[in-house]
Amino acid sequence: DIQMTQSPASLSASLGETVTIECRASEDIYNGLAWYQQKPGKSPQLLIYNANSLHTGVPSRFSGSGSGTQYSLKINSLQSEDVASYFCQQYYNWTFGGGTKLELK
Amino acid sequence: QVKLLQSGAELVKPGASVKLSCKTSGFTFSTSYMSWLKQVPGPSIEWIGWIYAGDGGTNYNQKFKGKATLTVDKSSSTAYMDLSSLTSEDAAVYFCARLGSWYFDFWGPGTMVTVSS
Repeated sequence: DIQMTQSPASLSASLGETVTIECRASEDIYNGLAWYQQKPGKSPQLLIYNANSLHTGVPSRFSGSGSGTQYSLKINSLQSEDVASYFCQQYYNWTFGGGTKLELK
Repeated sequence: QVKLLQSGAELVKPGASVKLSCKTSGFTFSTSYMSWLKQVPGPSIEWIGWIYAGDGGTNYNQKFKGKATLTVDKSSSTAYMDLSSLTSEDAAVYFCARLGSWYFDFWGPGTMVTVSS
């Protein structure tokens, strides 16, 4: 099975800062990757699919990139409403990364 | 708009079974793949399986075979998950979600299952 390693596990950043979260797959997943945001007490919400496509209604400050085994989620100009946990998910056996908890500094 | 409404929190005894529901609206249920996922504090997420509402075909994560059984009722656009022989390891929040291509594009709010005597 393909394993996903997500980093960092937690992150503290200031308002307006740019934040990057990374996921590494144990083998090539050919851009078969999605990113989700989960706010406390809520369900995950899709942000990015196919590694770099923005889901409907997601602010353009979110972007995804990568290829092969290395992928990243970037949040430009961090807003207070972006405080959440973020997860990557690969398509081949629907495995999730361990999550990144993003807090405000 | 797309809505997924899940049944309420459950407190169940060890060894018992529980059936969770996920009532949907706002999309064509009969041609959709519905998935169930498990989240425990940590906060890891595990995919349990999916069911194709059109014909009831299923695909399970090997880890959950024998534990979870997925069904649908097309007449009410509702997906169900039966969890059997519950132990403390099954205590979690369970989400239903629509599987859009290979990712989960819409999620229910989750149902918390507590296992305790």
